[in-house]
Amino acid sequence: SYELTQPPSVSVSPGQTARITCSGDALPKKYAYWYQQKSGQAPVLVIYEDSKRPSGIPERFSGSSSGTMATLTISGAQVEDEADYYCYSTDSSGVFGGGTKLTVL
Amino acid sequence: QVQLVQSGAEVKKPGASVKVSCKASGYTFTSYGISWVRQAPGQGLEWMGWISAYNGNTNYAQKLQGRVTMTTDTSTSTAYMELRSLRSDDTAVYYCARGDYGDYGPGDYWGQGTLVTVSS
Repeated sequence: SYELTQPPSVSVSPGQTARITCSGDALPKKYAYWYQQKSGQAPVLVIYEDSKRPSGIPERFSGSSSGTMATLTISGAQVEDEADYYCYSTDSSGVFGGGTKLTVL
Repeated sequence: QVQLVQSGAEVKKPGASVKVSCKASGYTFTSYGISWVRQAPGQGLEWMGWISAYNGNTNYAQKLQGRVTMTTDTSTSTAYMELRSLRSDDTAVYYCARGDYGDYGPGDYWGQGTLVTVSS
């Protein structure tokens, strides 16, 4: 079955740039989506179709995709960005990556 | 405003079935699909499947094929997810979400989640 691979954790200081990667064999042909989940809350979509930002998502969140890797970039990460981040994509069905815990301190 | 309101928490015994509802409001129900996602305690997100509210077409996760059925009732703008032959590892929070962008994935609007506990 299709898998998406993320690093378990990423840590940055406030104001630094955080990059979270997601690798998958079908990413050259399929879009990546990114979700933020804070403790005890439902996930929130922060990037769709590789690089588009939904209404209301801060500009510091951006996405890119090249080859078999998609990347979520948070430019000038803030303490409130500390959360779990999941990538999502499809092969014939949907799949989430394992999630990355972002620590900002 | 768009809202997805899910049914309340459930406690089930192993082998039983559960049916979670997701009532949509604030938009034309048949214009979007509904994705279902679950999250076991302390674990990551798991995509369960997707249903078109327009024509009922479904796409289920291979892992759940044969145990899961997703349906919609357009007269009440409600989506349903039924999971059968429950096991302890089905204990999770179950979310519905509107499929805003295709690719069978969850979009901008999510339900509040329904905790399903499977325990003898």
